[in-house]
Amino acid sequence: EVQLVQSGAVVKKPGDSLKISCKGSGYTFPFSWIGWVRQMPGKGLEWMGFIYPGDSDSRYSPSFEGQVTFSVDKSISTAYLQWSSLKASDTAMYYCARRLVYGDYGWFDLWGQGTLVTVSS
Amino acid sequence: SYELTQPPSVSVSPGQTANITCSGDKLGNIYTSWYQQESGQSPVLVIYQDDKRPSGIPERFSGSNSGNTATLTISGTQTMDEADYFCQVWARNTGGVVFGGGTKLTVL
Repeated sequence: EVQLVQSGAVVKKPGDSLKISCKGSGYTFPFSWIGWVRQMPGKGLEWMGFIYPGDSDSRYSPSFEGQVTFSVDKSISTAYLQWSSLKASDTAMYYCARRLVYGDYGWFDLWGQGTLVTVSS
Repeated sequence: SYELTQPPSVSVSPGQTANITCSGDKLGNIYTSWYQQESGQSPVLVIYQDDKRPSGIPERFSGSNSGNTATLTISGTQTMDEADYFCQVWARNTGGVVFGGGTKLTVL
């Protein structure tokens, strides 16, 4: 089965570091971009950026540049989203999604189940 | 930065046609995708490249894009179609993915 499986919900304190994961299966993981999307409680979808597992080439949304880091371990078909110092405003659901590309254009055809991150003192 | 505007809500009676719009500058020149997000669930791709349906998406879902407006049309709307719908583009000039603010479809 083609799927993306994300790590479970976490509760952290402000200032903590965190790394969440997204494991792909059922397709050739290195050859499709993996995007990350934030959804704050009751709000819409926000694109954070994406990473190409084949060579770890990363593109960040200006809104998230410097705030998070993408990485990948293609040997285990897993992408990661990392924070070095969480803030309460990072509380949200985070989705990974596979991006398919046609020329310059792309869309997200496969989504993970989401990881809920709660940051609270 | 490029912006996409969606109506916050659309209501439709079961069996009727729902049209959900997405507006942006010269949007007709850019491929638009649509996602359905049911309450508490992950988004699901329902339309890509303006009017293509992924396998498994019912034929009642269709899309169009012209001028400054892309439209997701749900024909013969069912109660199971009640969800939030988001449009999305790749804004080449800013090099980024842009989502619309989302439209809550109510079927009653």
